[in-house]
Amino acid sequence: EIVLTQSPGTLSLSPGERATLSCRASQSISSSYVSWFQQKPGRAPRLLIYAASRRATGISDRFSGSGSGTDFTLTISRLEPEDFAVYFCQRYGSSPLWTFGHGTKVEVK
Amino acid sequence: EVQLVESGGGLVQPGGSLRLSCAASGFTFSKYAFSWVRQAPGRGLEWVSGISESGSSRYYADSVKGRCEISRDNAKKTLYVQMNSLTAGDTAIYFCVREMDEDSGYYHYMDVWGKGIMVTVSS
Repeated sequence: EIVLTQSPGTLSLSPGERATLSCRASQSISSSYVSWFQQKPGRAPRLLIYAASRRATGISDRFSGSGSGTDFTLTISRLEPEDFAVYFCQRYGSSPLWTFGHGTKVEVK
Repeated sequence: EVQLVESGGGLVQPGGSLRLSCAASGFTFSKYAFSWVRQAPGRGLEWVSGISESGSSRYYADSVKGRCEISRDNAKKTLYVQMNSLTAGDTAIYFCVREMDEDSGYYHYMDVWGKGIMVTVSS
């Protein structure tokens, strides 16, 4: 079973700073099937990035994704107040069909 | 407006059963695969089960295999999951999620989520 490990667990930053979130897979995975989600308290997750680097509809260009093989990154170029949330990476594959990382919390420093 | 609305949650006793429903609107339901994803209080996301567009293929996480059955009614635009032999470990918010295919499956991702429904397993 492929495991997705996100780091750091918590990222403390100030508005305007750059956030770099990591997602590492326990074995090589197809970048076509890697997504990133944002979740705020009491809300459903929201798709930000799919296929490792493609922004979902309506997502600000502050958000960008990159990576291949086992290492994937979500970058938020300049944090806005509404960007402080929990971010999950995800992979589509098999056994299980979908796997999520445990999340990175981006909090106000 | 594209929308998924879950229903059927609530308090269930250990060992009990529950059927969740997800009503879809604003798109052609039968053209999409769907999944159920859950989130225990204060925890991360866990995929539970998935179903293909026609319903002919069904998939389950090991944690629910044998206790869970996913189904759909394309005429009613509704997704279901029947969960049996519930334990405290099944306590979570359950999300209904649409799966998107692009370029004949080259890209596959979850693009639309319901707001979720709480299931609490407790005596």
